[in-house]
Amino acid sequence: DGGITQSPKYLFRKEGQNVTLSCEQNLNHDAMYWYRQDPGQGLRLIYYSQIVNDFQKGDIAEGYSVSREKKESFPLTVTSAQKNPTAFYLCASINAGAQGNQPQHFGDGTRLSIL
Amino acid sequence: AQSVTQPDIHITVSEGASLELRCNYSYGATPYLFWYVQSPGQGLQLLLKYFSGDTLVQGIKGFEAEFKRSQSSFNLRKPSVHWSDAAEYFCAVGPYGGATNKLIFGTGTLLAVQP
Repeated sequence: DGGITQSPKYLFRKEGQNVTLSCEQNLNHDAMYWYRQDPGQGLRLIYYSQIVNDFQKGDIAEGYSVSREKKESFPLTVTSAQKNPTAFYLCASINAGAQGNQPQHFGDGTRLSIL
Repeated sequence: AQSVTQPDIHITVSEGASLELRCNYSYGATPYLFWYVQSPGQGLQLLLKYFSGDTLVQGIKGFEAEFKRSQSSFNLRKPSVHWSDAAEYFCAVGPYGGATNKLIFGTGTLLAVQP
């Protein structure tokens, strides 16, 4: 079955350390998104990418970086510049040819905590 | 500016009782509207979506939602709640950002079901 795989499910970061969250999809979707979820704040967009080798900042990009070298992969790096990284991170994808009327598909998330 | 409001942070209902979760939006044109459900530690699953046409839409798991343009609302309903419906529910509106298919999410409503 097609879907989005996020790994690891749980991740711990030490102070001053960069960590990378993996997101892989086999849905042949063009566009991919990274969200951060905090209790009571819903989902906030970190970065998104509509095609390979191109990505844009979302609403809360500071302290994060991404790459899109392959269509199926959109890894998110949480850098040491992100001072409050503890959150649940969700990856999503959609066929970029959709006219906005197709839902985004979500992975099962990665929970990042500070040691 | 586009926005989504879910006024109820937390709702408790008894099993077998009816349910209505509220969603109000602000959007410059006719929006695309979505309801998602999230079980603890999981990603988001699409319940239903509205694009055009019949303002009462049916979704999975016995849920339905009604689009009311005059009230800028898209409330989610279920006639008889099951214990397995306990989860967090998110309303989303889009697209914004042109062809980027970005969505705006509400802050969520956490549903508890009493036996």
